[in-house]
Amino acid sequence: QVQLQESGPGLVKPSETLSLTCTVSGGSMTGYYWSWIRQPPGKGLEWIAYIYSSGKTNYNASLKSRVTISVDTSKNQFSLKLTSVTAADTAVYYCAKLEGGRTSRFDPWGQGTLVTVSS
Amino acid sequence: QSALTQPPSVSGTPGQRVTISCSGSTSNIGSNTVNWYQHLPGTAPKVLIYSNNQWPSGVPDRFSGSKSGTSASLAISGLQSEDEGDYYCVTWDDSLDGPVFGGGTKLTVL
Repeated sequence: QVQLQESGPGLVKPSETLSLTCTVSGGSMTGYYWSWIRQPPGKGLEWIAYIYSSGKTNYNASLKSRVTISVDTSKNQFSLKLTSVTAADTAVYYCAKLEGGRTSRFDPWGQGTLVTVSS
Repeated sequence: QSALTQPPSVSGTPGQRVTISCSGSTSNIGSNTVNWYQHLPGTAPKVLIYSNNQWPSGVPDRFSGSKSGTSASLAISGLQSEDEGDYYCVTWDDSLDGPVFGGGTKLTVL
């Protein structure tokens, strides 16, 4: 059974770059889609980006200029970079497996990691 | 503001049936399948219903989903205290070219 685990700094300074990694265990990443989703405090879920194992990507238009998603199937990991962060980027960040391209079934999810943007 | 509209909150007493609506448009719900997620405090979101009305393994049939036109709904029957949490609809949006979540509905079991 596939399991996902997010890792990365819990505190990032304003204007800096947020970097997170998701480690996938219990299965291969090849042939599947992988995604990042976030939830700001007191708000709803927001899809950020997804990547196919080959490296094909798709980004939320509202974040596209600041986001990069990448994959390293040899390490069974995929990563998120969000540049020029502000307090509005404070959120719990989740990684998840996406059933396919042009779909919205995320399963399973990681436990999530809280990233706070503050000086 | 989300492309999908859900009521901010619903409530019910144990044993009751409640429904949560999700309203969209022709570019999202009207042309794609809807999934529902349950997000309980301190846990990762979990798929409750997929492809409008299908149950993943392990989800009780107290939960049911439906879709008509540009709207979808989640029904929970035999309400239990452990159902208390947040519920989200999500679908693909052809105009935005990505998945979109509803704003979420907080279910309170009185």
